Amino acid sequence: NAGVTQTPKFQVLKTGQSMTLQCAQDMNHEYMSWYRQDPGMGLRLIHYSVGAGITDQGEVPNGYNVSRSTTEDFPLRLLSAAPSQTSVYFCASKGTDYEQYFGPGTRLTVT
Amino acid sequence: GNSVTQMEGPVTLSEEAFLTINCTYTATGYPSLFWYVQYPGEGLQLLLKATKADDKGSNKGFEATYRKETTSFHLEKGSVQVSDSAVYFCALRGYNKLIFGAGTRLAVHP
Repeated sequence: NAGVTQTPKFQVLKTGQSMTLQCAQDMNHEYMSWYRQDPGMGLRLIHYSVGAGITDQGEVPNGYNVSRSTTEDFPLRLLSAAPSQTSVYFCASKGTDYEQYFGPGTRLTVT
Repeated sequence: GNSVTQMEGPVTLSEEAFLTINCTYTATGYPSLFWYVQYPGEGLQLLLKATKADDKGSNKGFEATYRKETTSFHLEKGSVQVSDSAVYFCALRGYNKLIFGAGTRLAVHP
């Protein structure tokens, strides 16, 4: 039981490049989400999904795309990277109890 | 809207000292409240929770009481250890999301 896994752990992009951050969970959770963590701002919700085929925007969705074709996977796509997207990205999933389980994070730098 | 305010850090303590990290919230109704902990280089882990007013959450020697009169959920520990050094986040449960405070970094020295 791996929980929530994220790849890559680190990534450096140039402005304008695109990439996909991968997230997978093996707990059969319906709810999955993406947060970004910036100094002094806590975690802010980017997008979330309440089940396969259903996604919705969070607080800071601009510049990001998501899709949910399976229960297990919830990739986050950066369409055209900007320096303002330099951050640490966390994926999380939640079952029927209150606890959200977080992945180890992806540290992204955009130059 | 709903929001969470935490005391600014860093908080620096000696081992075995008493810890308090303040957290207050603004919310409609009485949402569930949480403390998460983030150890260096890791993701967040749930430390404790309280789902209704006057509930006390506890785990690993940490405690927090849901106080609706003061809209607070302060984190306390009677005797901290070096291994408690981490960033602590207070959060409340919003609609389909968690709303986090900015986080408080705790450094415990031997």
